[in-house]
Amino acid sequence: GEQVEQRPPHLSVREGDSAFIICTYTDSATAYFYWYKQEPGAGLQLLMSVFSNVDRKEEQGLTVLLNKKDKRLSLNLTAAHPGDSAVYFCAVSAKSGGSNYKLTFGKGTLLTVTP
Amino acid sequence: GGIITQTPKFLIGQEGQKLTLKCQQNFNHDTMYWYRQDSGKGLRLIYYSITENDLQKGDLSEGYDASREKKSSFSLTVTSAQKNEMAVFLCASSIRRRTNERLFFGHGTKLSVL
Repeated sequence: GEQVEQRPPHLSVREGDSAFIICTYTDSATAYFYWYKQEPGAGLQLLMSVFSNVDRKEEQGLTVLLNKKDKRLSLNLTAAHPGDSAVYFCAVSAKSGGSNYKLTFGKGTLLTVTP
Repeated sequence: GGIITQTPKFLIGQEGQKLTLKCQQNFNHDTMYWYRQDSGKGLRLIYYSITENDLQKGDLSEGYDASREKKSSFSLTVTSAQKNEMAVFLCASSIRRRTNERLFFGHGTKLSVL
């Protein structure tokens, strides 16, 4: 089955710096890619989703890069601020029999942004 | 906008106890999910349900039961709590279990077993 590796598990940056998180996956049929954010005591909130025909997507200070050849997905937060401190999860979706897709999550990255 | 409500927020149980977690959504979504979140292990799917009275096992269904009595609610039962077990259980919903379905999550139920 699909294996998703996410790194780093912990990341500390100063306010205004960039934060870079990377995930690698194994199933070449993976079609959809997601980044979720989890604030303390809360559920996960979707940050961005990309389809496999997209190499780069930017929204509101976030950049997602997808390298299908290397099976690598990354998230870059430019100019991080303390409110960005949270756990970030990548998730990938691949067909798992019939018309169903299976979502597999990375283990998460705890991002701390210090003033 | 809708909301997913999980109850209780915190659950303390005894070893061997049967514990039930509840989830309600008002998005009118077809599909609901239960995930277990352990520190450093990401999210693992326990059960999901694509419609009322439907149940599908996830990767981690052993030791759990689930019930979808109506479209808006999905409950999860820990059949026998394990000593020192500590995890967060997250309920989620989506319109349907298809390709690019966004999942909406509740805030979680934090379980501690004494």
